[in-house]
Amino acid sequence: QVQLVESGGGVVQPGGSLRLSCAASGFTFSSYGMHWVRQAPGKGLEWVAFIRYDGSNKYYADSVKGRFTISRDNSKNTLYLQMNSLRAEDTAVYYCAKDSSTSCCDAFDIWGQGTMVTVSS
Amino acid sequence: EIVMTQSPATLSVSPGERATLSCRASQSVSSNLAWYQQKPGQAPRLLIYGASTRATGIPARFSGSGSGTEFTLTISSLQSEDFAVYYCQQYNNWPLWTFGQGTKVEIK
Repeated sequence: QVQLVESGGGVVQPGGSLRLSCAASGFTFSSYGMHWVRQAPGKGLEWVAFIRYDGSNKYYADSVKGRFTISRDNSKNTLYLQMNSLRAEDTAVYYCAKDSSTSCCDAFDIWGQGTMVTVSS
Repeated sequence: EIVMTQSPATLSVSPGERATLSCRASQSVSSNLAWYQQKPGQAPRLLIYGASTRATGIPARFSGSGSGTEFTLTISSLQSEDFAVYYCQQYNNWPLWTFGQGTKVEIK
């Protein structure tokens, strides 16, 4: 069964750091690009970051550029999001999502259940 | 950045009726448009990609149309499980993927 499971969310103070993980199963993880998407409480969806299937290219939304780092370990079928210098406006549910294309880029066909990140003092 | 604008913000529909949701792009996205459904407390689910192709397992009552800058999602006969928020997304202008603000379909 194709599945993405996020973990690592929690409460962190402004300026702090957090690392999210996304464990993939049921598909060939190393063949697909992967995204992080977030949703602030009561708000819409915001794309955050993308990494190619082999980690060769990474892209970020302007709102997180220079603070967040996306990475992957294909040997562990796991996607990561390192979040530094966190701000209150980073408070959101963070979803990992699979790109449906083995090249790039297409719709997001599989989503995890999300992990909540709260930035508050 | 391509701005995606959805209308209306809220759509009140009775079960069994037809629902028509609109999505407009600030510049052409060709047919590189997807629709997602999100229910409270759940992750989004892909409904439509390529503007008009249903994703795996999506019922035939969901249909998408349009190209360029104007797109429509139609639900032909609303079922109770269809009341949710729907988002459009463009993936033409990567690496900057953008979503619309969402349309909430509620029970009338």
